[in-house]
Amino acid sequence: QLQLQESGPGLVKPSETLSLTCTVSGGPISSSTYFWGWIRQPPGRDLEWIGSIYYSASAYYDPSLKSRVTMSVDTSKNQFSLKLSSVTAADTAVYYCARQMGSPTYYFDYWGQGTLVTVSS
Amino acid sequence: EIVLTQFPGTLSLSPGERATLSCRASQSVSSNYLAWYQQKPAQAPRLLIYGASRRATGIPDRFSGSGSGTDFTLTISRLEPEDFAVYYCHRYGASHTFGQGTKLEIK
Repeated sequence: QLQLQESGPGLVKPSETLSLTCTVSGGPISSSTYFWGWIRQPPGRDLEWIGSIYYSASAYYDPSLKSRVTMSVDTSKNQFSLKLSSVTAADTAVYYCARQMGSPTYYFDYWGQGTLVTVSS
Repeated sequence: EIVLTQFPGTLSLSPGERATLSCRASQSVSSNYLAWYQQKPAQAPRLLIYGASRRATGIPDRFSGSGSGTDFTLTISRLEPEDFAVYYCHRYGASHTFGQGTKLEIK
């Protein structure tokens, strides 16, 4: 059974960089079939797609966040990561990592439980 | 940008009853690229339906999806105690949009 687990600081100061890692177990991240994505949900708001990455490191980002987002992949550790720079209180959210079928535009078939990141001084 | 509106916001039903959850898109969803997820507290979202009507692997057949264009429905034929959760619709394809969720609670 595939499992994904997010990890990283739960508190980030305004203007700093949010960094999260997703560890995948139960299957290789280097499979050619899948993309790996990040989604977030601010308190009281809808889920938002942040971006997705392939094992080759090709990445696709939501246009509204593209200038601040960097995603990377480490196949040796079966992990992929998210960096979001210049954060503000509006970036406070539960962040989820997830697997996507075949394309960065497709649905998510496995999700992590999510991790709450609060932006506050 | 397509907006997804789910209704009702909260649905109160009893085990054994039939649940009908709706998701309406502000524009037509091409290729029926519409998915449904179930989320319970402190758990990962779970894919139920993709392609508007295709059940994901391991999903019981009491869950069914239907619809096309702008109107989509998730139906749970006979509610089990473990079905009470929040349900989200998701339009994928050119971009990703999620609905605000429907909370299915025990009456």
